Amino acid sequence: QSALTQPASVSGSPGQSITISCTGTSSDVGGYNYVSWYQQHPGKAPKLMIYEVSTRPSGVSNRFSGSKSGNTASLTISGLQAEDEADYYCSSYTSSVTLVFGTGTKVTVL
Amino acid sequence: QVHLVQSGAEVKKPGASVKVSCKASGYTFTTYYIHWVRQAPGQGLEWMGIINPSGGSVKYAQKFQGRVTMTRDTSTSTVYMDLSSLRSEDTGVYFCARGPYGAYNWFDPWGQGTLVTVSS
Repeated sequence: QSALTQPASVSGSPGQSITISCTGTSSDVGGYNYVSWYQQHPGKAPKLMIYEVSTRPSGVSNRFSGSKSGNTASLTISGLQAEDEADYYCSSYTSSVTLVFGTGTKVTVL
Repeated sequence: QVHLVQSGAEVKKPGASVKVSCKASGYTFTTYYIHWVRQAPGQGLEWMGIINPSGGSVKYAQKFQGRVTMTRDTSTSTVYMDLSSLRSEDTGVYFCARGPYGAYNWFDPWGQGTLVTVSS
């Protein structure tokens, strides 16, 4: 199972919006609504930000939103803040009854 | 409050085995799955497998088949991940994470991570 494809880096200025893509196939992202997103700060454990494509867990800022079109899922961060600077990973259920992560995206707040 | 607390860092020689524990608290242990995820130094996340604490059934990623064993102890609400025939490429941080019962979906929360170093 190959990793889902994410851009290596995305940057934006405070207050701007950025979008991170996560591209898979019809056997994972495109075939199921089990896509989730995680934020990881250096030296820390990942934190769940979005699950089931677009659902935000309790306590996660509404500046984070998720969507999906075909084989590509997206995470949008609006009103970018300094504390959003971190690595972001997507994850998807697969037809092999496994889970696969994306390659990861480093978000830089300029 | 839900917590997953993992065992401490390990240093192992090539060819040895390592056993990492993950103790759950704050919820009913048998009503959520536990996943294991690896992160090599400076690299991304890699799913290793899943265990159902209720019956003990497991599913491993193909890459780790034959080298990984996941078990649980319901009396202590603890899950274990045993990785054998260690090589230098197994160096990394190993995380346990809770997932919903009956679905391979999200991971929340995560344990703090256990650093495993494989070196001669």
